[in-house]
Amino acid sequence: GIQVEQSPPDLILQEGANSTLRCNFSDSVNNLQWFHQNPWGQLINLFYIPSGTKQNGRLSATTVATERYSLLYISSSQTTDSGVYFCAVCIQGGSEKLVFGKGTKLTVNP
Amino acid sequence: GAGVSQSPSNKVTEKGKDVELRCDPISGHTALYWYRQRLGQGLEFLIYFQGNSAPDKSGLPSDRFSAERTGESVSTLTIQRTQQEDSAVYLCASTLGGIQYFGAGTRLSVL
Repeated sequence: GIQVEQSPPDLILQEGANSTLRCNFSDSVNNLQWFHQNPWGQLINLFYIPSGTKQNGRLSATTVATERYSLLYISSSQTTDSGVYFCAVCIQGGSEKLVFGKGTKLTVNP
Repeated sequence: GAGVSQSPSNKVTEKGKDVELRCDPISGHTALYWYRQRLGQGLEFLIYFQGNSAPDKSGLPSDRFSAERTGESVSTLTIQRTQQEDSAVYLCASTLGGIQYFGAGTRLSVL
């Protein structure tokens, strides 16, 4: 099946720093989403981005489908950005089920 | 309701008992997914419902696990003869336009 690899697995930042999270996938996809899971376990959809670039406030994401990777940028990080960031994909021409990476655990210190 | 609702939020059971978890999707969302998340791990796909099509059960880990959904409404995930390895958070999501919206999950503890 498709492999989804996220890096780095853990990231510790000081408040105000910028960061880039990466998601590599092993097959062509027709759906790619980034999620944030807060320390209480709630998963929130950040971006639906099978290709191209999107921005939402301090967050932006870019997916280069032809090279099978996506990047999530966090600028001017805040303590509330802490949590786990997951990338999830659907295989092109396959089932509608999302395959999740193992996540990047982000800790933003004040 | 405004979001995906799951109940109960926490469930503690004894090994060997059956449990039933409930998911109320967002109204109008045709697709519904169940996932399992063990402590500190990512999400494991369990089952997917899309409208009246046959569900994709390829992620169910054993025949002790089953799920039902009536039309485009409530879904229940049943785990029979629970084992300690079933302890996890069970998450439900419904989708619109390919975007998944998650409930808060049910934390299952099997003693």
